[in-house]
Amino acid sequence: QSALTQPASVSGSLGQSITISCTGSRNDIGTYNLVSWYQQHPGKAPKFIIHEVTKRPSGVSDRFSGSKSGNTASLTISGVQAEDEADYYCCSYAGSRTFFGTGTKVTVL
Amino acid sequence: QLQLQESGPGLVKPSATLSLTCTVSGGSISSSDSYWAWIRQPPGKGLEWIGYIYSSGTAYYNPSLSSRVTISADTSNSHFSLELSSVTAADTAVYYCARRSLSTGYSFDYWGQGTLVAVSS
Repeated sequence: QSALTQPASVSGSLGQSITISCTGSRNDIGTYNLVSWYQQHPGKAPKFIIHEVTKRPSGVSDRFSGSKSGNTASLTISGVQAEDEADYYCCSYAGSRTFFGTGTKVTVL
Repeated sequence: QLQLQESGPGLVKPSATLSLTCTVSGGSISSSDSYWAWIRQPPGKGLEWIGYIYSSGTAYYNPSLSSRVTISADTSNSHFSLELSSVTAADTAVYYCARRSLSTGYSFDYWGQGTLVAVSS
């Protein structure tokens, strides 16, 4: 297995909610509640915005929320803002290994 | 506040060994809570985990790179290093160092700014 699968792009109008999916397998997302999400603006390092599926680090907007069902994790941005336009990556613990998602470009219309 | 900073050559010749160092400040790389990781991102592409090293000195590598990768740590000088041998143009990427924290479920909670390494003759 290589990367976790994400949609290449997701778009939404200002103020709408959008959801990004991240599909893995029973060997990673399906077994462990250790999914994290990262936001990356162009030319910048990734910033971690969700850990352990649903937990938000201090300072991260509560517009970001995470969930999981079976082998698929999801990131929801509620009331999307212009500054949320970025690339988003999921990541899952898998024992001694780590898998990143393929990445999703979020466009705010 | 923990800070990480990558350093090393920005240009490496094909078949040579890429060597990078990550200097950690504001925290100890001997912490039992932390793994110290290298992650890369080819231009216009996604993130790829290269490997990480624990405070015990045990290192874990991406199987797709394991035959060419060595990660080591120098706790006395608060830095850890990456060596990637026999590089090709496919190894051209922005290389990030990061902390993988047990207290946040093995997530990568602190990142360096990244350094672009190009493989070219």
